[in-house]
Amino acid sequence: DTGVSQNPRHKITKRGQNVTFRCDPISEHNRLYWYRQTLGQGPEFLTYFQNEAQLEKSRLLSDRFSAERPKGSFSTLEIQRTEQGDSAMYLCASSLELWGTGELFFGEGSRLTVL
Amino acid sequence: DQQVKQNSPSLSVQEGRISILNCDYTNSMFDYFLWYKKYPAEGPTFLISISSIKDKNEDGRFTVFLNKSAKHLSLHIVPSQPGDSAVYFCAARDSGAGSYQLTFGKGTKLSVIP
Repeated sequence: DTGVSQNPRHKITKRGQNVTFRCDPISEHNRLYWYRQTLGQGPEFLTYFQNEAQLEKSRLLSDRFSAERPKGSFSTLEIQRTEQGDSAMYLCASSLELWGTGELFFGEGSRLTVL
Repeated sequence: DQQVKQNSPSLSVQEGRISILNCDYTNSMFDYFLWYKKYPAEGPTFLISISSIKDKNEDGRFTVFLNKSAKHLSLHIVPSQPGDSAVYFCAARDSGAGSYQLTFGKGTKLSVIP
């Protein structure tokens, strides 16, 4: 399977715990994006990487959220001290073209439930 | 402030008829508009896109129309099939933003009735 892969698909955690999600993009894609989707809303942009550089992170929801992309391959999104309001679907997407159709290729998402 | 708006949360259409999903936007810097389809517990899947310099793009049963003066686009599906039942998201790209991220609407849930 050469699509975007996300793990775990579902994470249930208690409030205050830290969680980490992993995204493996399509191998030749140099751009990687994280989005969050809550019930009844469209995906909301969080951050993006071009290769290993995180070029936009001002939309991360708080300082409890951080993302990395070591070596420009896979990426991780960490949420520290989780709160119930963090419950959502976290989506990863990747792309290659700058001047193409604008299409982002999404993974199946990681659903977070904070109890 | 929502830059991409889908004002109809849901739409029901009879199988074989036309489905029309609408989207409005406010940012004149958007250069590409895309439609994504999403099934429950899956990520969004790209359907069709249109450049801001065009007014129509067609791919099989799917056609997207863009009216720049009205800042409005629509997705036509004809004929509609039960497998088209899903949530459809309108998205737009702002090439001036640097990141080329997409801004999404809230989605329209399409139900195609057999």
